[in-house]
Amino acid sequence: GQQVMQIPQYQHVQEGEDFTTYCNSSTTLSNIQWYKQRPGGHPVFLIQLVKSGEVKKQKRLTFQFGEAKKNSSLHITATQTTDVGTYFCAGLTSGTYKYIFGTGTRLKVLA
Amino acid sequence: NAGVTQTPKFQVLKTGQSMTLQCAQDMNHEYMSWYRQDPGMGLRLIHYSVGAGITDQGEVPNGYNVSRSTTEDFPLRLLSAAPSQTSVYFCASHANRLAAYNEQFFGPGTRLTVL
Repeated sequence: GQQVMQIPQYQHVQEGEDFTTYCNSSTTLSNIQWYKQRPGGHPVFLIQLVKSGEVKKQKRLTFQFGEAKKNSSLHITATQTTDVGTYFCAGLTSGTYKYIFGTGTRLKVLA
Repeated sequence: NAGVTQTPKFQVLKTGQSMTLQCAQDMNHEYMSWYRQDPGMGLRLIHYSVGAGITDQGEVPNGYNVSRSTTEDFPLRLLSAAPSQTSVYFCASHANRLAAYNEQFFGPGTRLTVL
């Protein structure tokens, strides 16, 4: 079945350093979403990418969707302690209604 | 507008017991899903529904039943609880039946422990 892998599983950074998480699907995706989950909380939507090669920015966050629509990345510039949490990608395979989540990347930011 | 609500927040069951996790949304969303979250496993889709009366299996459906008699409610039933079902359960909804171009809104979760 469809699999969505994310790397790294964990990342510890010093405040002010950059951070990137990568998401890879075994199948071509219709779109991909990114979510952030704070410790003890529920996933919260960040963004959705639909087009091949699409790049979107939200302040210090940059999201990319690969040309083949099978991979994506989230890059945070100059991390802050408020960025702490687990970041998930969720991919929708063409012709289905199922979003398959990646395994997540847990980010810790050291002040 | 409460969004997505889930009850209970916490539950402890004994092996073999049954129970229903409740999920409701007041946003008139067509699409609803149940996920379970285990450490290191991300969120795995259990069942989903694209509208009232329509449900389908996700990645890990065994041991769970769902029904969707109204747009608002999407309960998840554990027929005979097993320790392997100890997890955090999230319900989510989004607006578009075609499941595209819409963010999923998640409930606060139910932490279930099966002894």
